[in-house]
Amino acid sequence: NAGVTQTPKFRVLKTGQSMTLLCAQDMNHEYMYWYRQDPGMGLRLIHYSVGEGTTAKGEVPDGYNVSRLKKQNFLLGLESAAPSQTSVYFCASSYSNQGDGYTFGSGTRLTVV
Amino acid sequence: AQSVTQLDSHVSVSEGTPVLLRCNYSSSYSPSLFWYVQHPNKGLQLLLKYTSAATLVKGINGFEAEFKKSETSFHLTKPSAHMSDAAEYFCVVSDPDSGGYNKLIFGAGTRLAVHP
Repeated sequence: NAGVTQTPKFRVLKTGQSMTLLCAQDMNHEYMYWYRQDPGMGLRLIHYSVGEGTTAKGEVPDGYNVSRLKKQNFLLGLESAAPSQTSVYFCASSYSNQGDGYTFGSGTRLTVV
Repeated sequence: AQSVTQLDSHVSVSEGTPVLLRCNYSSSYSPSLFWYVQHPNKGLQLLLKYTSAATLVKGINGFEAEFKKSETSFHLTKPSAHMSDAAEYFCVVSDPDSGGYNKLIFGAGTRLAVHP
């Protein structure tokens, strides 16, 4: 089935460890996004990409890095995890830049201890 | 910058009764507005969207929302709740950045509980 696939689905990290979350889409979408979801705060945009090889900062980019080397993949990296980065991370992609047509992945639950 | 405020963090209704989830927006122009739904342990799904056409927007699963510019509101309604409607609902506004690119700005969410 076409869509957005996130790996892993769950992960527990120790403070200071690093990891990479992978997002893959097979819909040929130009635009991809990483959000974090925390209780009572909705989803907040971390970074986004408007095309292969491009990235831009969102609302809460500190502590994260991203790369979009291939159009279908958008990687989110945590270089030195902190407990404040405990969250559920969602990747999304879209075909337009008009704010609609988003497809979301099922999320990655990350706990930093 | 655009923003949305969801006026209720939790709403509880009985099955078969109407649903009203309230959302106010802040925008310097006529925005694009959306409602997304998130079922437990799932990703987000688009319910409906308003993009300056008809002010009453119909979505999936019997939901609809009315854009009221004078009240800066975009409330979500459904005439009769079903148990499967229990989920978290997000009101969302499209926010253009300096490059003309539109990002989605999410409200804090309203958790809808439906009781038998």
